[in-house]
Amino acid sequence: GEDVEQSLFLSVREGDSSVINCTYTDSSSTYLYWYKQEPGAGLQLLTYIFSNMDMKQDQRLTVLLNKKDKHLSLRIADTQTGDSAIYFCAESFGNEKLTFGTGTRLTIIP
Amino acid sequence: EPEVTQTPSHQVTQMGQEVILRCVPISNHLYFYWYRQILGQKVEFLVSFYNNEISEKSEIFDDQFSVERPDGSNFTLKIRSTKLEDSAMYFCASGIKKTEAFFGQGTRLTVV
Repeated sequence: GEDVEQSLFLSVREGDSSVINCTYTDSSSTYLYWYKQEPGAGLQLLTYIFSNMDMKQDQRLTVLLNKKDKHLSLRIADTQTGDSAIYFCAESFGNEKLTFGTGTRLTIIP
Repeated sequence: EPEVTQTPSHQVTQMGQEVILRCVPISNHLYFYWYRQILGQKVEFLVSFYNNEISEKSEIFDDQFSVERPDGSNFTLKIRSTKLEDSAMYFCASGIKKTEAFFGQGTRLTVV
């Protein structure tokens, strides 16, 4: 079955890079996503990667996909206080349903 | 920037009552979804809706749940007879294609 796992917490100093990790069990995942949730807000789609890619970069965000190990990561360069949020990894199989991870709470240390 | 809006932000209802959660998806989107997140648990898929019908639903989405797109702009989730375990944050989402879903801020449903 589908399962997506993330560590619950990550603390990073302001200005450093944050790396949020995610593992998934189903190798037939077609798309893998990163969502951000700020306090009191909904889930904001940050980026997603098609499973035949191994990297995608968008400004400060870099997504790395290791299909062999079923491992997805999100790197945020030059982490700022506005990056404090919960980050959710999610997968889909080309249909409409998303399967989410538990979310990683990113805390920025000044 | 267009966004998905949900009302109300918080709803309290008595067990056994019917509740309707409302959503206005982004206007040119074609795919519509409901998800929920019980406190401390993962965000779970409930249902997807396309071309005026349900395209997929989860085991959670039983006969107590229904969705409607009554007027081409609203998308509603009805729970017929609420149970305590229906207490959760309910998220509506929409997308112009299957691979992207944009979420609203959620409605917190508290069943007492």
